[in-house]
Amino acid sequence: EVQLLESGGGLVQPGGSLRLSCAASGFTYSSYAMSWVRQAPGKGLEWVSGITGSGVSTYYADSVRGRFTISRDNSKNTLYLQMNSLRAGDTAIYYCARTYTTIIWDGFDPWGQGTLVTVSS
Amino acid sequence: QSALTQPRSVSGSPGQSVTISCTGTTSDVGGYNYVSWYQQHPGKAPKLMIFDVSKRPSGVPDRFSGSKSGNTASLSISGLRAEDEADFYCSSYAGSYTLVFGGGTKLTVL
Repeated sequence: EVQLLESGGGLVQPGGSLRLSCAASGFTYSSYAMSWVRQAPGKGLEWVSGITGSGVSTYYADSVRGRFTISRDNSKNTLYLQMNSLRAGDTAIYYCARTYTTIIWDGFDPWGQGTLVTVSS
Repeated sequence: QSALTQPRSVSGSPGQSVTISCTGTTSDVGGYNYVSWYQQHPGKAPKLMIFDVSKRPSGVPDRFSGSKSGNTASLSISGLRAEDEADFYCSSYAGSYTLVFGGGTKLTVL
């Protein structure tokens, strides 16, 4: 069974940092691009960042570029999101998601259960 | 990276058909065939229903179909069932290696 399990969320002060992890299982991890998608409380979905299967290429939304860094460790089947200079507007549930096919823009499935990040003083 | 435009809500009775629109620009929906649709039930993670404008992932009923005309993509659901009630989101590749989502549509089954 394909599974994604996020961890690392929590409460952090504005300006602080947090690193999210997403452990993958049930598929050949290095063959698939991965992404982070967030959802603010009661709001819609927002794509945050993506990374190719090899990890060579990374992509970011304008809202997080320069503050967030996506990476992956294919030996550990794990995806990461390093979040720095956090703002109140970054408060959201963060989902990791696998690309459905091997093409990064081909839709995301499956998704993890999400991890909540709250930025507040 | 402006969000794609979706109606806030749509509704239909069991057995009926509904269509949800997703309007973008030539820089996203109109420019690429990388449109996807997701269903999200309250408190749950989204589920992929359509990718590449009109392709259905395995396990998604053929009651769900997707299409595109110009800068507007559409998700059609036929034979509405109570369990279809959920939020639906569209997404599209927006060029420059970025992706944009729609604001979401709440589907109510009357």
